[in-house]
Amino acid sequence: SQQGEEDPQALSIQEGENATMNCSYKTSINNLQWYRQNSGRGLVHLILIRSNEREKHSGRLRVTLDTSKKSSSLLITASRAADTASYFCATSRRGSSGSARQLTFGSGTQLTVLP
Amino acid sequence: DAGVTQSPTHLIKTRGQHVTLRCSPISGHKSVSWYQQVLGQGPQFIFQYYEKEERGRGNFPDRFSARQFPNYSSELNVNALLLGDSALYLCASSLALLMGSEAFFGQGTRLTVV
Repeated sequence: SQQGEEDPQALSIQEGENATMNCSYKTSINNLQWYRQNSGRGLVHLILIRSNEREKHSGRLRVTLDTSKKSSSLLITASRAADTASYFCATSRRGSSGSARQLTFGSGTQLTVLP
Repeated sequence: DAGVTQSPTHLIKTRGQHVTLRCSPISGHKSVSWYQQVLGQGPQFIFQYYEKEERGRGNFPDRFSARQFPNYSSELNVNALLLGDSALYLCASSLALLMGSEAFFGQGTRLTVV
């Protein structure tokens, strides 16, 4: 089952604009990761934010995490045509043995950046 | 350093056949996980292996099996293929069993069952 759900499902913007994608999840988490996927190829790791962090930056990426609302957002500033891809959030949570076993993905946001 | 490598990149099989997919993790990574991604959806967890032992299994039938070798590479086997097994199969490696570290994915194997 999908724990995370991205919103919106699809987003189309002009080059240079900012893109914001949101992710909601259902259970408590250990951390949350964002990935990019180009045209059905492999997933590229973008950023990891731990449950005790609220905000993290990496280049043009800004990720926030609100554990009280069980939500995260990914902001891409000054978007480029090369940012066109699907973006997924993935959560991991501790199992009963204390170790996390898997990443649970949402169904993704398809971002299109128009030149 | 090489990233996660998967082989083959594409594969076409007939219903009822068997398939083996291979994955080599990033050097030094001991955990390998397998995911299935059907078109238009997010990846779904199949297996996680750490130190050659199965440490997690998703909701997939017994037709799916996997193993990890002493060099930490891994194989995913699927028996009695169904049309619905057509998907992108992704391998991820991470340093530790605990998913506090990033998981890095390979380019995937595109399996088409006809």
